[in-house]
Amino acid sequence: AQTVTQSQPEMSVQEAETVTLSCTYDTSESDYYLFWYKQPPSRQMILVIRQEAYKQQNATENRFSVNFQKAAKSFSLKISDSQLGDAAMYFCAPLQGGSEKLVFGKGTKLTVNP
Amino acid sequence: DTGVSQDPRHKITKRGQNVTFRCDPISEHNRLYWYRQTLGQGPEFLTYFQNEAQLEKSRLLSDRFSAERPKGSFSTLEIQRTEQGDSAMYLCASSFYRVDGYTFGSGTRLTVV
Repeated sequence: AQTVTQSQPEMSVQEAETVTLSCTYDTSESDYYLFWYKQPPSRQMILVIRQEAYKQQNATENRFSVNFQKAAKSFSLKISDSQLGDAAMYFCAPLQGGSEKLVFGKGTKLTVNP
Repeated sequence: DTGVSQDPRHKITKRGQNVTFRCDPISEHNRLYWYRQTLGQGPEFLTYFQNEAQLEKSRLLSDRFSAERPKGSFSTLEIQRTEQGDSAMYLCASSFYRVDGYTFGSGTRLTVV
């Protein structure tokens, strides 16, 4: 079974600072996709950013960017200029090429301090 | 479109009772997924529909669990003879292109007492 490791159960950052959340995964596939989801307290899961494994260029969405290291099977999320509204659980989730099933890590709880 | 809707938001039931949850996906999405999330964990896959066909089921989905998606629109997830271990958040998601990621609903929180 595919495994996803988010080694930081909790992280904190000062407002306006930058934070990086780590994720490693295992897969034998060459074709897959990677996602970061955000789950604010008592609210629904929201897609933050996606990365296609065949693309070398790291994905960026406004203040959110990824560092995708395919050989190392690493997919970290960088949040720049952190805002109070970024406080949430963040989940890393790969999707293998032929599968419909997202496999989620255990998550990282991000606290943003004013 | 108002996104993925789930009903009810919360359900408290006694052990041994049956419960049913409903999910209304985004109307143009042909793919629908059910996940279960327990406290402190990431969501775990339960089952997947493409249109009305249930194409994949997790081993987590015991015989007490059944899901349907009649006519490829809304879906229901039924749990029979609930157990305390069934207490969790049940999440529904939908997509059109799986590689674009899912849109999740707000979930149904089940508490079995």
